[in-house]
Amino acid sequence: AQSVAQPEDQVNVAEGNPLTVKCTYSVSGNPYLFWYVQYPNRGLQFLLKYITGDNLVKGSYGFEAEFNKSQTSFHLKKPSALVSDSALYFCAVRDMNSGGYQKVTFGIGTKLQVIP
Amino acid sequence: DGGITQSPKYLFRKEGQNVTLSCEQNLNHDAMYWYRQDPGQGLRLIYYSQIVNDFQKGDIAEGYSVSREKKESFPLTVTSAQKNPTAFYLCASRGPMDEQYFGPGTRLTVT
Repeated sequence: AQSVAQPEDQVNVAEGNPLTVKCTYSVSGNPYLFWYVQYPNRGLQFLLKYITGDNLVKGSYGFEAEFNKSQTSFHLKKPSALVSDSALYFCAVRDMNSGGYQKVTFGIGTKLQVIP
Repeated sequence: DGGITQSPKYLFRKEGQNVTLSCEQNLNHDAMYWYRQDPGQGLRLIYYSQIVNDFQKGDIAEGYSVSREKKESFPLTVTSAQKNPTAFYLCASRGPMDEQYFGPGTRLTVT
């Protein structure tokens, strides 16, 4: 079984400050990890993913995420938040060894509010 | 929202009526998915299809049906058997690097 936890329902950060949105995961094998962003009444947009290699993954719009195997975490970060970053962020995981149907499990989402 | 289109954006139906949500993609992707999104519950998988003429139930398939007669199209029917159909429905396809491309969603309200 695989699962994702996003422990914070909402994260508030001042514009220009660094932001972190937390994600922890559980899989039996090795993980594929993803971050998506959703603006109001829109579909999700892919931000970045980790499959293998460098633990620091860079993605769209200046976002990056750090894979930490020992802590089973994949936190999303950005050095300087913009008001336009305000949105709902989803972490997702797939077990690399799942074979067959490649189910992706999504977290419940974290609302990011960037305050001007 | 990539090359995935969903229509309509808003849909209103009376209880007891079946309704079909459209999903079309021009990305030439084999795998397609339907999710339901409710506040505080994230995305839950309804049905998925890995290839034309094949589809499988997801975690919450009861009260829903799908077809996959063409690679480009994966319509979802919400039947009267679905107890709580009011929700935001998202269609997606899977790209070559495992990322998913989502449509803009259909907000269904059943009264």
